[in-house]
Amino acid sequence: QVQLVESGGGVVQPLRSLRLSCAASGFSFNTYGMHWVRQAPGKGLEWVAFVAFDGNYKIYADSVKGRFTISRDNFNNTLYLQMNSLRTEDTAVYYCARTILPALDWWGQGTLVTVSS
Amino acid sequence: DTVLTQSPLSLPVKPGEPASISCRSSQSLLHTNEYNYMEWYLQKPGQSPQLLIYLGSNRASGVPDRFSGSGSGTDFTLKISRVEAEDVGVYYCMQVLYTPHSFGQGTKLEIK
Repeated sequence: QVQLVESGGGVVQPLRSLRLSCAASGFSFNTYGMHWVRQAPGKGLEWVAFVAFDGNYKIYADSVKGRFTISRDNFNNTLYLQMNSLRTEDTAVYYCARTILPALDWWGQGTLVTVSS
Repeated sequence: DTVLTQSPLSLPVKPGEPASISCRSSQSLLHTNEYNYMEWYLQKPGQSPQLLIYLGSNRASGVPDRFSGSGSGTDFTLKISRVEAEDVGVYYCMQVLYTPHSFGQGTKLEIK
């Protein structure tokens, strides 16, 4: 069955870096676009980034542009989010989600990132 | 950026009664291919979001037929014909026509 399993979250100090991973299984990963969506504690959903199936097209939210990089490894069925220069406002649960354009039809369980000194 | 405005933000409903959530977009979500790039998601308590409706009015696989989506352009509605206890949670609209993509603020449905 389809599975998306995020990992890499934790507590990190402001201005430091963290890399999130999303391991995919149960479907042809290299044929799906992938998103990262985050949710700050007690808040709503915020779209973060998207990468096309082949990794050749990427888009970002203004709040993370220039600091976060989305990438994928289609050989190892893994999605990444490299997060640099982290801020306290980046504290959130980060979800990966696959897309059958345009819908996000399967979501992972999320990984919590806490940015705090 | 495209702003999605949901109403109401809180929706208490008795079991068996209908419910309706509105989502208004600051830009038209009607693509030249005649599809509306509006989606609806439900986040049940303690769970990840799940897709309910895509392209404005299409139910995702496994979604009960008491859920329906309608609208075009800038005004969209999610309707539940008869609310059940399992429908509690926060409902979000989302647009993926424009970048950056965006969600509405969420509507919390609770059972009276």
